[in-house]
Amino acid sequence: GENVEQHPSTLSVQEGDSAVIKCTYSDSASNYFPWYKQELGKRPQLIIDIRSNVGEKKDQRIAVTLNKTAKHFSLHITETQPEDSAVYFCAATTNQAGTALIFGKGTTLSVSS
Amino acid sequence: GAVVSQHPSRVICKSGTSVKIECRSLDFQATTMFWYRQFPKKSLMLMATSNEGSKATYEQGVEKDKFLINHASLTLSTLTVTSAHPEDSSFYICSARDLDRSYEQYFGPGTRLTVT
Repeated sequence: GENVEQHPSTLSVQEGDSAVIKCTYSDSASNYFPWYKQELGKRPQLIIDIRSNVGEKKDQRIAVTLNKTAKHFSLHITETQPEDSAVYFCAATTNQAGTALIFGKGTTLSVSS
Repeated sequence: GAVVSQHPSRVICKSGTSVKIECRSLDFQATTMFWYRQFPKKSLMLMATSNEGSKATYEQGVEKDKFLINHASLTLSTLTVTSAHPEDSSFYICSARDLDRSYEQYFGPGTRLTVT
């Protein structure tokens, strides 16, 4: 089955700096890679996702890159703000109906002002 | 976007009792729903895949007799924690995929279970 590794587990940056979180996956059949932000006690919130037919996607301050050959994908947050502080999870799955998301272990991002 | 509800949001029960958690897709039909468990400061661990009209598929290490899953309709899956123990205390989250949207999965708000 799929296995997703995520690094780093914690990340501290100054407000305005960039933050990068990296993930690798094992199953070459995976073709959908979402990123979630989770606040304490709440459900994960999708912040950006990428499908395997593209290499990069950007939405304002957030971007995701995908390298299918190396089986890794990364989340980039620019101009970080204190409200970006949260736990971020990467995940991988296929677009087949019965396939679950497999999550990385999470990264706790702290943005200090 | 699609909406998934979960009930109850919080439950406290005594050891040895059973607790049922409901997961509903409110505006779409879901032939498959997923149940996750999350310990404090940990990731979401897939417990089982719930299939409408058939048996659930459990992940390795998850006791099917302890975590009973029923998916009786295209909008409802239930997770029953039987003979609960304090180590079952956790955050349980369900998700479902709207096949019309193909890729994205939608999460319920989660259920915080505390077993005393």
